[in-house]
Amino acid sequence: SQTIHQWPATLVQPVGSPLSLECTVEGTSNPNLYWYRQAAGRGLQLLFYSVGIGQISSEVPQNLSASRPQDRQFILSSKKLLLSDSGFYLCAWSVSLVDEQFFGPGTRLTVL
Amino acid sequence: AQSVTQLGSHVSVSEGALVLLRCNYSSSVPPYLFWYVQYPNQGLQLLLKYTSAATLVKGINGFEAEFKKSETSFHLTKPSAHMSDAAEYFCAVNDQGTALIFGKGTTLSVSS
Repeated sequence: SQTIHQWPATLVQPVGSPLSLECTVEGTSNPNLYWYRQAAGRGLQLLFYSVGIGQISSEVPQNLSASRPQDRQFILSSKKLLLSDSGFYLCAWSVSLVDEQFFGPGTRLTVL
Repeated sequence: AQSVTQLGSHVSVSEGALVLLRCNYSSSVPPYLFWYVQYPNQGLQLLLKYTSAATLVKGINGFEAEFKKSETSFHLTKPSAHMSDAAEYFCAVNDQGTALIFGKGTTLSVSS
């Protein structure tokens, strides 16, 4: 069966510090991968998605970036965090873009 | 582009009462539709999906949803609410060639 991992589970970072969140999927090949952010009261915001290694689509302009160095690894990064980057970050995977997505447990990021 | 609207950001019911969470979509082609549930500080979990087979879809935890093309709706129901159903619920629709489109979510509260 497939599983999706995210780490860390929680993170507290100062403004201006770098960020690296990691997501890995097990038990499947060539998944589509996604990064979402949930800010308080603002629903689910799609940040990036990837249909293959090195292929990243950005949905919103911001100071975040994503990379996919391996087939089942998806990394979310920032060089300098802003207060507005605080939120709950979710990684997800799917077989195709129109199929159901399966979500990881999430990372709670607090920027102080 | 497709869109999905969840009517009511908060719904409150008593334990044992009917649960009805509303979702309307806009689509010019037959869509795939999904309902997800999210418990606090957890990822989203798929409740059920509609993929143009039977219009009444049964999901996990006693939930079901009915696809009504004439009303462009996909409302989620459960005959009898349990305290454990208290969570946030998201409706989603596929969009041709891009990732799923999620609604803003409905928070369900269940009182004893």
